[in-house]
Amino acid sequence: GNSVTQMEGPVTLSEEAFLTINCTYTATGYPSLFWYVQYPGEGLQLLLKATKADDKGSNKGFEATYRKETTSFHLEKGSVQVSDSAVYFCAPADTGRRALTFGSGTRLQVQP
Amino acid sequence: NAGVTQTPKFQVLKTGQSMTLQCAQDMNHEYMSWYRQDPGMGLRLIHYSVGAGITDQGEVPNGYNVSRSTTEDFPLRLLSAAPSQTSVYFCASSLDGDEQFFGPGTRLTVL
Repeated sequence: GNSVTQMEGPVTLSEEAFLTINCTYTATGYPSLFWYVQYPGEGLQLLLKATKADDKGSNKGFEATYRKETTSFHLEKGSVQVSDSAVYFCAPADTGRRALTFGSGTRLQVQP
Repeated sequence: NAGVTQTPKFQVLKTGQSMTLQCAQDMNHEYMSWYRQDPGMGLRLIHYSVGAGITDQGEVPNGYNVSRSTTEDFPLRLLSAAPSQTSVYFCASSLDGDEQFFGPGTRLTVL
């Protein structure tokens, strides 16, 4: 089955700093890839997605590129805000189960 | 559209009690799934369904049962609750089996 490795948190940054959260995965074939975000006390929201190799997903200033050769989908943002403080999950699609395989999540804390 | 709804939001059980976590979606999605979220472990798949009448086990199915009698509903049953089932439970649905839409979650504590 699929597996996901995310960098451990918490990641603590100052406002306007550059963010990278690494994600690598193993999967059968070339599944769609997702980043979900969970704000404190809330459920999961889709942040961005990419459906094929070299696709770049983007939303709210966040970006991630589907790298088939390195099986990676790293999340980046050029200038983080306090409101970006949340837990971020990388998740490739499990095409057999029509579900997702999640990484352990990376907690981001942005200080003013 | 209400999207994916879950009830209850919070529940406290004693060891050995049974209960059903409700999940419903109004988007006519064929695919539905249940996950549990534990600290430091992300979300793990409990059971999933690819359509009404069809369910199967995920990564961590022990202690849980599901059924899917309608497209809209996908309840999760705990037959005899154990402290190890203390967790936050999320239900999700999907139109195409890729992008998942999540409910708000149920926080369950088993004493």
